[in-house]
Amino acid sequence: GAVVSQHPSRVICKSGTSVKIECRSLDFQATTMFWYRQFPKQSLMLMATSNEGSKATYEQGVEKDKFLINHASLTLSTLTVTSAHPEDSSFYICSARPLRTSGGADTQYFGPGTRLTVL
Amino acid sequence: GQQVMQIPQYQHVQEGEDFTTYCNSSTTLSNIQWYKQRPGGHPVFLIQLVKSGEVKKQKRLTFQFGEAKKNSSLHITATQTTDVGTYFCAGKAAGNKLTFGGGTRVLVKP
Repeated sequence: GAVVSQHPSRVICKSGTSVKIECRSLDFQATTMFWYRQFPKQSLMLMATSNEGSKATYEQGVEKDKFLINHASLTLSTLTVTSAHPEDSSFYICSARPLRTSGGADTQYFGPGTRLTVL
Repeated sequence: GQQVMQIPQYQHVQEGEDFTTYCNSSTTLSNIQWYKQRPGGHPVFLIQLVKSGEVKKQKRLTFQFGEAKKNSSLHITATQTTDVGTYFCAGKAAGNKLTFGGGTRVLVKP
């Protein structure tokens, strides 16, 4: 149980294009989903927190117009990187917090990540 | 803001030996979580500690939450090659987001 999928797993795009990444909780409902960014050999940096049916909360320094988040249902959140540039190239990971969990109220389950390369 | 630091950044361990990685928070935490990320993979939840002084074990892994709820440790005994990866702690202060430490990258020498 507690499986989170991300699609696509890898994407290469040209500078100036937009890329949409989907995050789905497959076997549970998630009250909250999180979007992280991870640079090589570095830690996870929280970009934004999204709750189903409401606007996402962005961390300081993260442009909300650049990284559009839509949390359409309790099992799906999407991150759209608009007008992508090479500096947006990174590993984007989502996580989902279940409505009910035995691991603890703040348990998060991570997706496999999406590696974005902007040429 | 809240900061979470982990030491060491890198840990080279001989197979069969024990080691400990430490996690320290600048603020008192309501809970702390540990994750493992294999090379090329994504973080996988290991455990959550909530109570002051709490100790939990998972086979060869022992997790401890400090009395002041500002630090935590992960001790691995009889290290195996399957233990290779990066271990992240993540701390949450009341009302705040989960903040990840920088991780300890573990390499095992056979």
